[in-house]
Amino acid sequence: GAGVSQSPRYKVAKRGQDVALRCDPISGHVSLFWYQQALGQGPEFLTYFQNEAQLDKSGLPSDRFFAERPEGSVSTLKIQRTQQEDSAVYLCASSQKVGGIGMEETQYFGPGTRLLVL
Amino acid sequence: GQQLNQSPQSMFIQEGEDVSMNCTSSSIFNTWLWYKQEPGEGPVLLIALYKAGELTSNGRLTAQFGITRKDSFLNISASIPSDVGIYFCAGQRGYGGSQGNLIFGKGTKLSVKP
Repeated sequence: GAGVSQSPRYKVAKRGQDVALRCDPISGHVSLFWYQQALGQGPEFLTYFQNEAQLDKSGLPSDRFFAERPEGSVSTLKIQRTQQEDSAVYLCASSQKVGGIGMEETQYFGPGTRLLVL
Repeated sequence: GQQLNQSPQSMFIQEGEDVSMNCTSSSIFNTWLWYKQEPGEGPVLLIALYKAGELTSNGRLTAQFGITRKDSFLNISASIPSDVGIYFCAGQRGYGGSQGNLIFGKGTKLSVKP
């Protein structure tokens, strides 16, 4: 597709349930970022992939959060034993190159997955 | 996590008015960006700034990268109803790899005056 896609668009989970959120980046994009956006806030960085390598996971809030990108394209963000504070919009963004400046580093965002934990 | 200081938090516009918002940080950034987010969608890039002092326009939008590299502003001239939405500033510390992760402000919500 032309842009970044994410699925599901909405997810309601019961507290304690595991969830998996999928991101399809723009084809050929090397870099992939996950962000978490709480209600009324700006997005906050969670983790970064360069191809299949997860190079930065400093923003993951706890060890219940796990992300992978095994073939360097599609990525999955998994949250185990969900808690109410995990309710947020999870955004995925991709960019064309690593080390580029300017347009090659522009991050294109998907529409997000809205997660509500009851 | 760190977020940039963005103001105002919200504003009401009347069609035709000019709008101004700004963003400050205690840290230096190498890139400043301005995004717009509409309900149910992800942020969409409006303007990117790569050099201190740079002034860039995109149609009715104008943004500047502060000389100290710690601030940026966005102006919208002659606003129209479709300008409503939430505007976010974002900074990048470095180029490439995880240095490229974005640090966002809390957003400025633009609404139409009743």
